[in-house]
Amino acid sequence: GQQLNQSPQSMFIQEGEDVSMNCTSSSIFNTWLWYKQDPGEGPVLLIALYKAGELTSNGRLTAQFGITRKDSFLNISASIPSDVGIYFCAGTRPPLDDKIIFGKGTRLHILP
Amino acid sequence: EAGVTQFPSHSVIEKGQTVTLRCDPISGHDNLYWYRRVMGKEIKFLLHFVKESKQDESGMPNNRFLAERTGGTYSTLKVQPAELEDSGVYFCASSLRSGQETQYFGPGTRLLVL
Repeated sequence: GQQLNQSPQSMFIQEGEDVSMNCTSSSIFNTWLWYKQDPGEGPVLLIALYKAGELTSNGRLTAQFGITRKDSFLNISASIPSDVGIYFCAGTRPPLDDKIIFGKGTRLHILP
Repeated sequence: EAGVTQFPSHSVIEKGQTVTLRCDPISGHDNLYWYRRVMGKEIKFLLHFVKESKQDESGMPNNRFLAERTGGTYSTLKVQPAELEDSGVYFCASSLRSGQETQYFGPGTRLLVL
């Protein structure tokens, strides 16, 4: 069954706005990963989180590994047109660190 | 350095036919993974090779799917016979080491079974 609940499924925002998306699970995760997929491409890793409470930034992106190890969020600040795409939360659960479990994705649309 | 490549990019076949997908990992990556995303669902793990050995094939849906990695370089995923529910995007990924190591994804093969 589905192990990661990612919300929202779709977002429409204005260029320049900040956006936040999150992911929850009823199970504990060892790692939390955020990927972005552009049309015709495969998922590209944006941020990887390895410790509960960890807060990591990558340019305008910030993500956090929840204290309970059951959730994570991704923030994008000052959105630009190239931020359009599908954002997937993902993670690995003990004991299988190689088997990535994905959420359904959040499709981000940016209005001019 | 070339990334993960997959061939073909698209495949349209009829139910009952056979299709073989190919993945070339990043050079030197011992770990190779197959995932797929069927319509409306999340991307799901299929299996993991370490060199030519299957480390974990717990995600393979049934015995119509056969993955190989002879010689530990490229991998093939064969679906025989294909069914309608096999339609989706098949992704391959590779990583240098096992464990908490970044997996680099290929562009995927879009399979449509009619």
